[in-house]
Amino acid sequence: DTGVSQNPRHKITKRGQNVTFRCDPISEHNRLYWYRQTLGQGPEFLTYFQNEAQLEKSRLLSDRFSAERPKGSFSTLEIQRTEQGDSAMYLCASSPGTSGGAAYNEQFFGPGTRLTVL
Amino acid sequence: AQSVTQLDSQVPVFEEAPVELRCNYSSSVSVYLFWYVQYPNQGLQLLLKYLSGSTLVKGINGFEAEFNKSQTSFHLRKPSVHISDTAEYFCAVIPNSGYSTLTFGKGTMLLVSP
Repeated sequence: DTGVSQNPRHKITKRGQNVTFRCDPISEHNRLYWYRQTLGQGPEFLTYFQNEAQLEKSRLLSDRFSAERPKGSFSTLEIQRTEQGDSAMYLCASSPGTSGGAAYNEQFFGPGTRLTVL
Repeated sequence: AQSVTQLDSQVPVFEEAPVELRCNYSSSVSVYLFWYVQYPNQGLQLLLKYLSGSTLVKGINGFEAEFNKSQTSFHLRKPSVHISDTAEYFCAVIPNSGYSTLTFGKGTMLLVSP
């Protein structure tokens, strides 16, 4: 399968625990994005990477959230001291994105990681 | 900044009937427009996109959408729906300048019944 993959697909944790999600983008895609989707809402942008550089972070990304893409391939999203309000679907997407132009803005989404904080 | 409004949170329809899901957007810059579909507990799948050229765009699964710049709309249509079209549909925009953040609407749940 050459699509975007995310692990785990589901995570249940207790409030106050730390969790880490992984995203593997489509091979050779330079841009990688994280979105959060809460119930009844559309996805909301969290952050994105161009290769290993984190270029943009939303105000939604509190200091308890950290994302990395150490080698410009896979990415991890860590949430420290989880709160019940963190319960959501976390979506990862990737795009070719090496330069401007219409085709490079198309983002391909993974299946998501559903987080439940008890 | 951009914003997307999907006017209907839920659209019930009978199988083989036509359907239109409405989307309006607001932006101070030119944008590209997208429709995504999300099946339960799955990620988003691109249905179709408008980048430039003809304002009538055809996508997968028999869906099409028409870009209307004067009305800032990008409504999604299908002439005859199937049970399998039951899903959540999201309209999204992105500036065509190179800044890469998609802005989504809140979604429209399409419920197709026999």
